[in-house]
Amino acid sequence: AQRVTQPEKLLSVFKGAPVELKCNYSYSGSPELFWYVQYSRQRLQLLLRHISRESIKGFTADLNKGETSFHLKKPFAQEEDSAMYYCALRGGSNDYKLSFGAGTTVTVRA
Amino acid sequence: EAQVTQNPRYLITVTGKKLTVTCSQNMNHEYMSWYRQDPGLGLRQIYYSMNVEVTDKGDVPEGYKVSRKEKRNFPLILESPSPNQTSLYFCASNSGRGLQETQYFGPGTRLLVL
Repeated sequence: AQRVTQPEKLLSVFKGAPVELKCNYSYSGSPELFWYVQYSRQRLQLLLRHISRESIKGFTADLNKGETSFHLKKPFAQEEDSAMYYCALRGGSNDYKLSFGAGTTVTVRA
Repeated sequence: EAQVTQNPRYLITVTGKKLTVTCSQNMNHEYMSWYRQDPGLGLRQIYYSMNVEVTDKGDVPEGYKVSRKEKRNFPLILESPSPNQTSLYFCASNSGRGLQETQYFGPGTRLLVL
């Protein structure tokens, strides 16, 4: 069974401080990992995925298969980063089942 | 404009009264899915569809039905709603896998079952 754990429900940081959102997963094969963001009163949107290895809005995430983690990081948080963030896992190949973590609410204070 | 639409956006109903939430996408995506979002539980996948007439259960399919008779539409059916189905529901579509994959979510449908 696939499972995603986000241990922090709430995360509060000051503007300009680094922020790291933790995500751990369990999956027997080679998964695809995603981060989604939901800003207040907006639709859920894909932030980034591990296969693209890109930085989006200053965020990066590295898949660590040894630690089964996919933590999301940003070196300098901005107030507009305040949102709900979800980590999600999908099995590889033709598996379309997507499992989400419970989410982390990030508040960036001025 | 590429988009996923859901209707209705808000719905209050009573236990046992059948309802359907519609979902439509205009991007010719093959893959569509339904999720419910509950506080403290995040999003949980209800059903997904890989193409027309091809559907499969997600993590929480009990009490729900879906159909995919045409590529653009993927309605969610609650045959006999119960209060524990009070939730925020999202439809999504995506196409392609890997770097070309695009994903879109609908605006959400807030359902209250009394």
